Amino acid sequence: DGGITQSPKYLFRKEGQNVTLSCEQNLNHDAMYWYRQDPGQGLRLIYYSQIVNDFQKGDIAEGYSVSREKKESFPLTVTSAQKNPTAFYLCASSEGQPQHFGDGTRLSIL
Amino acid sequence: GQQLNQSPQSMFIQEGEDVSMNCTSSSIFNTWLWYKQDPGEGPVLLIALYKAGELTSNGRLTAQFGITRKDSFLNISASIPSDVGIYFCASGRNTNAGKSTFGDGTTLTVKP
Repeated sequence: DGGITQSPKYLFRKEGQNVTLSCEQNLNHDAMYWYRQDPGQGLRLIYYSQIVNDFQKGDIAEGYSVSREKKESFPLTVTSAQKNPTAFYLCASSEGQPQHFGDGTRLSIL
Repeated sequence: GQQLNQSPQSMFIQEGEDVSMNCTSSSIFNTWLWYKQDPGEGPVLLIALYKAGELTSNGRLTAQFGITRKDSFLNISASIPSDVGIYFCASGRNTNAGKSTFGDGTTLTVKP
């Protein structure tokens, strides 16, 4: 089946640790996105990439980093500089509109 | 950045009732999208609107793209318990490729 796969489903981070969230898509979409969702709030854009080897900061990029070495993959690293990383992270891809979403990764602090 | 005002923030209704929610913006958009999110999952697209004035249905769901291109509404008729979830509106412009702005969501609770 075509779709977007995020892994792991749950992730725990220790203080001072970097963690990487995986996002893979087999929809052959050029664009991919990372969002952060906090309880009772909408989706806030962290980073997006419209083509391989290129990406742009979204509204809340501080403390996060990404890479886009392959069309199907867009991993997100939550660095130790992100002081409040506990949230639900959603990856999406699109060819124009609309975006298609994965099932998310819930990140918590130990 | 750009913001969408989505209302109401939450709704508690009886099974069988109709539901209406809407999104407004101070900016003009080319696309309006409505998504539903179940707990612990990603949003799923319900309806996509690409033309001002467009009225589109998907089963018991109906959505419209406002004539001014600054608003959209979503109606759910004869609600059922599985309609429970968070409904998001999203909007975009052709110049931004697939980049979208999202509302804060409407949380729907349906009492049997």
